[in-house]
Amino acid sequence: GENVGLHLPTLSVQEGDNSIINCAYSNSASDYFIWYKQESGKGPQFIIDIRSNMDKRQGQRVTVLLNKTVKHLSLQIAATQPGDSAVYFCAENLAYNMLTFGGGTRLMVKP
Amino acid sequence: NAGVTQTPKFQVLKTGQSMTLQCAQDMNHNSMYWYRQDPGMGLRLIYYSASEGTTDKGEVPNGYNVSRLNKREFSLRLESAAPSQTSVYFCASSPIGRANTGELFFGEGSRLTVL
Repeated sequence: GENVGLHLPTLSVQEGDNSIINCAYSNSASDYFIWYKQESGKGPQFIIDIRSNMDKRQGQRVTVLLNKTVKHLSLQIAATQPGDSAVYFCAENLAYNMLTFGGGTRLMVKP
Repeated sequence: NAGVTQTPKFQVLKTGQSMTLQCAQDMNHNSMYWYRQDPGMGLRLIYYSASEGTTDKGEVPNGYNVSRLNKREFSLRLESAAPSQTSVYFCASSPIGRANTGELFFGEGSRLTVL
């Protein structure tokens, strides 16, 4: 797929386990932080966002944590399923319309 | 509901040739974007259009031009393709009120190879 990368970090988890994907960001001025999922051969798909004045936000089976002290963002996926296998990107919104994406983490779910 | 549609899906060019990537969205979104994705890297913004009639440069605009033809369509043109422009190109759109949060709707991508 388009997101095949020679050096993508990979997280391998057992089906049913929880997954935690981590991301470091660089700009303290970012107003929003976002997680995207990209399946092989497809475009990125929005998962969840979190505003900079929050430290936790929950969605359906996903939780995003933001630690501004160490500029760290994480995505937790509960009860990981085979359909969660994809590359996950964090992104920060530096200004209106201007997203900066991280390099991505590949999640592989073992049945 | 088609969402964001890109054409062509695949294209091979020779160095120096020109081409236009087409993008159309049927969600009545105000903002549209062009990104490129290279292996092992995240997406990088080439150009964006906050609303019909406006376009602005992103992080990597050199070698590209764009046209916001109307509210639905946003095209990306390579005037003289170079091997460094070999990449997968993604068009995206966002509705008014959500662009500032970073929620974009992406097309399926156009894979371009420049020989």
